[in-house]
Amino acid sequence: GEDVEQSLFLSVREGDSSVINCTYTDSSSTYLYWYKQEPGAGLQLLTYIFSNMDMKQDQRLTVLLNKKDKHLSLRIADTQTGDSAIYFCAESLSPGGYQKVTFGIGTKLQVIP
Amino acid sequence: EADIYQTPRYLVIGTGKKITLECSQTMGHDKMYWYQQDPGMELHLIHYSYGVNSTEKGDLSSESTVSRIRTEHFPLTLESARPSHTSQYLCASSEVDRESNTEAFFGQGTRLTVV
Repeated sequence: GEDVEQSLFLSVREGDSSVINCTYTDSSSTYLYWYKQEPGAGLQLLTYIFSNMDMKQDQRLTVLLNKKDKHLSLRIADTQTGDSAIYFCAESLSPGGYQKVTFGIGTKLQVIP
Repeated sequence: EADIYQTPRYLVIGTGKKITLECSQTMGHDKMYWYQQDPGMELHLIHYSYGVNSTEKGDLSSESTVSRIRTEHFPLTLESARPSHTSQYLCASSEVDRESNTEAFFGQGTRLTVV
């Protein structure tokens, strides 16, 4: 079955870059997502990438996809204290709704001032 | 900002009680979902709905039930709560568009503790 793996915790200093990694098992994944959950809030979509792309950049966020290794990463440049949150990686095998989306465990990012 | 709300945020309840977790969205989304997240574990889909009068079971077996009488409302019920039901429950909704499933909107979650 589908499986999405992430490390549990990452700590970085304010101003440094953060890289959150994710591996997935199903090579037929079509969409890969990064969601952010701030304390006391629901998950919010940060960005997503189609499986036919290698990279996507959006301001301070860079998503890299290595399909061969089934590895997805999220890089946050110039990390701020407001970036402290839990980041969820997710994959979707096919279109048709979130019932086909598998979420990872979430990586807790702690930004030290 | 997402217009999807869950109540209560926190609930501590005794074993054997019947509980209903509320979820409402004002975005007119047809699809709604319930996820369960145990501490240190992945989000697991327990129920979803394609629209009014549609309910389906998710990947993770759950003793809870859901109903979808109105588009905006997707409550989850446990007839007899047990300590094994202690978990965080997240509600979400999405719309079906040409790109199908690019974004889901999540509520803040209900943290349930059964003692």
